[in-house]
Amino acid sequence: DAKTTQPNSMESNEEEPVHLPCNHSTISGTDYIHWYRQLPSQGPEYVIHGLTSNVNNRMASLAIAEDRKSSTLILHRATLRDAAVYYCILRDEGPGTYKYIFGTGTRLKVLA
Amino acid sequence: DAGVTQSPTHLIKTRGQQVTLRCSPKSGHDTVSWYQQALGQGPQFIFQYYEEEERQRGNFPDRFSGHQFPNYSSELNVNALLLGDSALYLCASSLAAGFRLRVSYEQYFGPGTRLTVT
Repeated sequence: DAKTTQPNSMESNEEEPVHLPCNHSTISGTDYIHWYRQLPSQGPEYVIHGLTSNVNNRMASLAIAEDRKSSTLILHRATLRDAAVYYCILRDEGPGTYKYIFGTGTRLKVLA
Repeated sequence: DAGVTQSPTHLIKTRGQQVTLRCSPKSGHDTVSWYQQALGQGPQFIFQYYEEEERQRGNFPDRFSGHQFPNYSSELNVNALLLGDSALYLCASSLAAGFRLRVSYEQYFGPGTRLTVT
């Protein structure tokens, strides 16, 4: 299974941008990079995903390195509600379907 | 539009007992995945069901089994419970069409069932 590596924790001030890094040196050519976040006492929720090009949506931006061995989730203006564990995940291809391999994630603390 | 629902919310069982957890996928979704999340850890993939068959399985013993019904809902069964089975069990639903179309659809997770084994 392809693996991802993330820092255990990060801190950010409210209203400032946050860059959450992820290393995935064993990524294959067809692996999509997914980001999910898990707020306290909730199930994970989808944030963003991409394959090769940088991606933007209403929640965040995803910057993917040219060699695809790393990516960065960008929260443009952190709010207190963004405090969560952020997971960088590679989608693992199997017989007829996919599965998602979670790592330990990055715990983001947002300071008021 | 109802999201993913799971029942029960909490459950307390004794070692050696058996437990059944239930999941209803998001409307329109046909694939259900189950995850185990121990305290302080990321979710660990247990297995995935599509077309009422187990399609993929993570590194979990045969004590963990599942089922998918024609309406796409799913059950997770755990036999001979161990203390180490205490965890949050998450269900996620998605669309299998993503595989055939070579695109990626997100998974939607339920709130989970907290299982405590004493």
